[in-house]
Amino acid sequence: AQSVSQHNHHVILSEAASLELGCNYSYGGTVNLFWYVQYPGQHLQLLLKYFSGDPLVKGIKGFEAEFIKSKFSFNLRKPSVQWSDTAEYFCAVNAYSSASKIIFGSGTRLSIRP
Amino acid sequence: DTGVSQDPRHKITKRGQNVTFRCDPISEHNRLYWYRQTLGQGPEFLTYFQNEAQLEKSRLLSDRFSAERPKGSFSTLEIQRTEQGDSAMYLCASRALTGTKNIQYFGAGTRLSVL
Repeated sequence: AQSVSQHNHHVILSEAASLELGCNYSYGGTVNLFWYVQYPGQHLQLLLKYFSGDPLVKGIKGFEAEFIKSKFSFNLRKPSVQWSDTAEYFCAVNAYSSASKIIFGSGTRLSIRP
Repeated sequence: DTGVSQDPRHKITKRGQNVTFRCDPISEHNRLYWYRQTLGQGPEFLTYFQNEAQLEKSRLLSDRFSAERPKGSFSTLEIQRTEQGDSAMYLCASRALTGTKNIQYFGAGTRLSVL
């Protein structure tokens, strides 16, 4: 069965600090990988995705993530966070051949001190 | 607004009552998904439809839950004899069959509180 682990439940940073949120998944086959973000009071939005090709993917708002197949990891990074990045971040996986469900991690709440 | 629309946004009900939620997907999206999200957790898959066919159901979807998508457009999720453990955010998502691979677009959700 597929599963996703997010190591940090709550991360607190100051503005301009660098961010890295960990994500590991469990699945033996080829996968699609996602990071979704949920800003306070808003719905889930896609931040970035990996389907194939370059393992370093860039998303919106300066976020990027690196797929490391040997480590089953898909960590999210941003060099310099802003107060507006305060949100809940979810890593998610979907089996490449599957048309169905996305499996989400439990989320990481990011709080940015102004 | 051309996104996924869910109604109502909030529902408060008493234990034992039936509730029904509605989801209107993005126009022409063939696939429609229901998820449930509890506090401090990520969304958990409940079921999905391709057009009007319900193709997969999670074990989370007990007999008290039923979902329909009769004309392949909007979908409803009904919970019968609600229990306090049903309190959660119910999310709907949709995606196109082709062209956007597996990118699911989410609605704002219906927050259910069972008293």
